[in-house]
Amino acid sequence: DAGITQSPRHKVTETGTPVTLRCHQTENHRYMYWYRQDPGHGLRLIHYSYGVKDTDKGEVSDGYSVSRSKTEDFLLTLESATSSQTSVYFCAISEGRGARETQYFGPGTRLLVL
Amino acid sequence: DAKTTQPNSMESNEEEPVHLPCNHSTISGTDYIHWYRQLPSQGPEYVIHGLTSNVNNRMASLAIAEDRKSSTLILHRATLRDAAVYYCILVSGSARQLTFGSGTQLTVLP
Repeated sequence: DAGITQSPRHKVTETGTPVTLRCHQTENHRYMYWYRQDPGHGLRLIHYSYGVKDTDKGEVSDGYSVSRSKTEDFLLTLESATSSQTSVYFCAISEGRGARETQYFGPGTRLLVL
Repeated sequence: DAKTTQPNSMESNEEEPVHLPCNHSTISGTDYIHWYRQLPSQGPEYVIHGLTSNVNNRMASLAIAEDRKSSTLILHRATLRDAAVYYCILVSGSARQLTFGSGTQLTVLP
């Protein structure tokens, strides 16, 4: 158990509203990640963070922003939710270095944008 | 990015060994072979990883071909709880993300 929690676990929202998802870790890991998982696409990286206030874009970052003001929390914000952002969102932390790095995932947040 | 090829699905009987294959003919010399699995309605779970030598841990064994162009994840005694999608992923030193393919859906029959 890597001590990762995500909140909320489920959310239904309307198109155009802002949404913030929270990822919380208890073990002081430096790297944190946000992925989305959709049928037919597998998991795709949205953004990641390599320290407090240090973030970078992933493969599918358009329409998303992130913030990390504390080591333990990594927030994902949809500024104006669209139906195409309906997905399951997973947060992850990593241990190890380079190609030996392994990632540990949270339980996921199911988001439905109507 | 080097790609992997896995069968879409496999079946196994409970309490029997399972061998999940993965082909990665374009693997580079520094790529590690990682395996993750995803149980229904859960996040992916790290299983095992290796570079050249076979590896064992409490969850599984990883057998890597001598030319590294293929590998096999071995579950020594499948249980119903092992039913999941298994992903074989190549990880390079500079990678910042895991590239998940479609994986192998393992069904364990009682």
